[in-house]
Amino acid sequence: GAVVSQHPSWVICKSGTSVKIECRSLDFQATTMFWYRQFPKQSLMLMATSNEGSKATYEQGVEKDKFLINHASLTLSTLTVTSAHPEDSSFYICSARSEATQHFGDGTRLSIL
Amino acid sequence: AQKVTQAQTEISVVEKEDVTLDCVYETRDTTYYLFWYKQPPSGELVFLIRRNSFDEQNEISGRYSWNFQKSTSSFNFTITASQVVDSAVYFCALRLTGANSKLTFGKGITLSVRP
Repeated sequence: GAVVSQHPSWVICKSGTSVKIECRSLDFQATTMFWYRQFPKQSLMLMATSNEGSKATYEQGVEKDKFLINHASLTLSTLTVTSAHPEDSSFYICSARSEATQHFGDGTRLSIL
Repeated sequence: AQKVTQAQTEISVVEKEDVTLDCVYETRDTTYYLFWYKQPPSGELVFLIRRNSFDEQNEISGRYSWNFQKSTSSFNFTITASQVVDSAVYFCALRLTGANSKLTFGKGITLSVRP
């Protein structure tokens, strides 16, 4: 069964809306979670690394004010896409590390109209 | 810096054929992990295997087998007697052993298995 739960699975919303995506580790505590973005027919691009109780570390070129990450507990991290625009439409995937293995959520398809 | 190369971009086979997906990696570190993930059309990433750099034993799991060769920095994946359900994008990835180390993904190989 899934060890990482990600919700929602898909979102369609109007431009200017803020969207929150939740990522939960099931049955294990994840001190580190990761957020990725994937464009069609491309590999996963790491957006940020999220550590419980501290500020996320963003990859170069990722706007931290645009993509707000909160990791308030050892089992929950959230990604909020603020004032989303059509260019933010993508597939977002979270990941949580359990010992040496990294497990992924099912992803969120975000479509901004 | 780490790098993972999956030179094959798309592979198409007929059901029951064997197929090998290649993965070559680069790192200066001596300890690391190698992974294979499967991404079916539905989008989720499915963990297939993790291999430690100090464990060069090949592994077999059902129709899946992995060949890890440190001498050539390769970690190839073979599917025996492929099935239509094997159609997916397969990613090879590498990660160092540090606590916050990041996964470096290859570009992925799209495998299509035709009936």
